[in-house]
Amino acid sequence: DAGVIQSPRHEVTEMGQEVTLRCKPISGHDYLFWYRQTMMRGLELLIYFNNNVPIDDSGMPEDRFSAKMPNASFSTLKIQPSEPRDSAVYFCASSLDRDGQPQHFGDGTRLSIL
Amino acid sequence: GDSVTQMEGPVTLSEEAFLTINCTYTATGYPSLFWYVQYPGEGLQLLLKATKADDKGSNKGFEATYRKETTSFHLEKGSVQVSDSAVYFCALTRGGGYNKLIFGAGTRLAVHP
Repeated sequence: DAGVIQSPRHEVTEMGQEVTLRCKPISGHDYLFWYRQTMMRGLELLIYFNNNVPIDDSGMPEDRFSAKMPNASFSTLKIQPSEPRDSAVYFCASSLDRDGQPQHFGDGTRLSIL
Repeated sequence: GDSVTQMEGPVTLSEEAFLTINCTYTATGYPSLFWYVQYPGEGLQLLLKATKADDKGSNKGFEATYRKETTSFHLEKGSVQVSDSAVYFCALTRGGGYNKLIFGAGTRLAVHP
């Protein structure tokens, strides 16, 4: 079975540009999570969705960040405008809506803002 | 609130040594417990899990037992290999429709030949 698919794997862009990260969860999974990982702050949960509805976005750093899930098989995380401090690895994960079910992670997008 | 505490790394071992990475948790109710592993340049992979007290999760020679009386879920392996070098994360979910994972800070393991 295909796992969580993220694109692009790497993104390098200049500050001020809009960045869009994409995620395709595992088919049939009810939850989708976006994380950010940096050396300084470790792994941070940004936002998560249940059945395409945002449940908790308290981890989104500021208004420059937005996330959408227009259908069960696709989600985006957008940064506009981007800043150098947004440089990080962004992970998407999905899981079933059942107790004890693990989250399955994608390979991540390594984002560098110059 | 819910939290997970892991031993600080890095942990440096020689090949074939015994590994223990300590993990303790604070949570309401009856959480499910997980160990994830992250190899360099990759995403997190589920290593093992346990969903109730006294359950033992195991995979690839790694084991961890859900100890409710000590609120612990320590990771062990009898004989580590160079290929086990990675970052290991302990995590919990509270369940009951609350599927958010609470992660520990991660422990870096380096195994030398």
